[in-house]
Amino acid sequence: EIVLTQSPATLSLSPGERATLSCRASQSVSSYLAWYQQKPGQAPRLLIYDASNRATGIPARFSGSGSGTDFTLTISSLEPEDFAVYYCQQRSNWPPRFTFGPGTKVDIK
Amino acid sequence: QVQLQESGPGLVKPSQTLSLTCTVSGGSISSGSYYWSWIRQPAGKGLEWIGRIYTSGSTNYNPSLKSRVTISVDTSKNQFSLKLSSVTAADTAVYYCARVSEDTAWGMDVWGQGTTVTVSS
Repeated sequence: EIVLTQSPATLSLSPGERATLSCRASQSVSSYLAWYQQKPGQAPRLLIYDASNRATGIPARFSGSGSGTDFTLTISSLEPEDFAVYYCQQRSNWPPRFTFGPGTKVDIK
Repeated sequence: QVQLQESGPGLVKPSQTLSLTCTVSGGSISSGSYYWSWIRQPAGKGLEWIGRIYTSGSTNYNPSLKSRVTISVDTSKNQFSLKLSSVTAADTAVYYCARVSEDTAWGMDVWGQGTTVTVSS
């Protein structure tokens, strides 16, 4: 079973600052990694798929990188609406399943 | 645009079966290369994938829940459903349905708003 670890658990930053979130897999997931944003009381929203591809409508300030076991989500300049919880998620082909990381909360400093 | 909406009882008694339905609107559940998935989230905690179904009826489940989960699809009603048997308080959560799309390398690109299910006598 592949386990995802996210760090830090909480990131306290100010609007305009750069956010760097990490996701590490217990074994290689190739590029099969996605990132989601979740705001309180809302469903998650797909931000990044296949490690580095922005989903439809996602602003360019969001970028993803990495492959294998180490992945990064970068928000180049935080907007007020970006303060939320971010989850990484991997998919495995065999056995077919999805796994989420525990999340990183980005809050206002 | 495709939208998903969960429905079902908000309160289930311990040892009973939780049953939820996800209705797909704005598109056919059978069109395109999609899986249809269920995810849950206990209050204040992270996301847990429950399982997925293809419109052919092929399913995959989280091994930790596999013995209690059944996901089915009704293409005539444009719906898919979740049944979770022998529930306990640990199954109390917000339950989401989501579309898993080949276009996004099997990312979950459309989500329902979620429905809260409480397990209590």
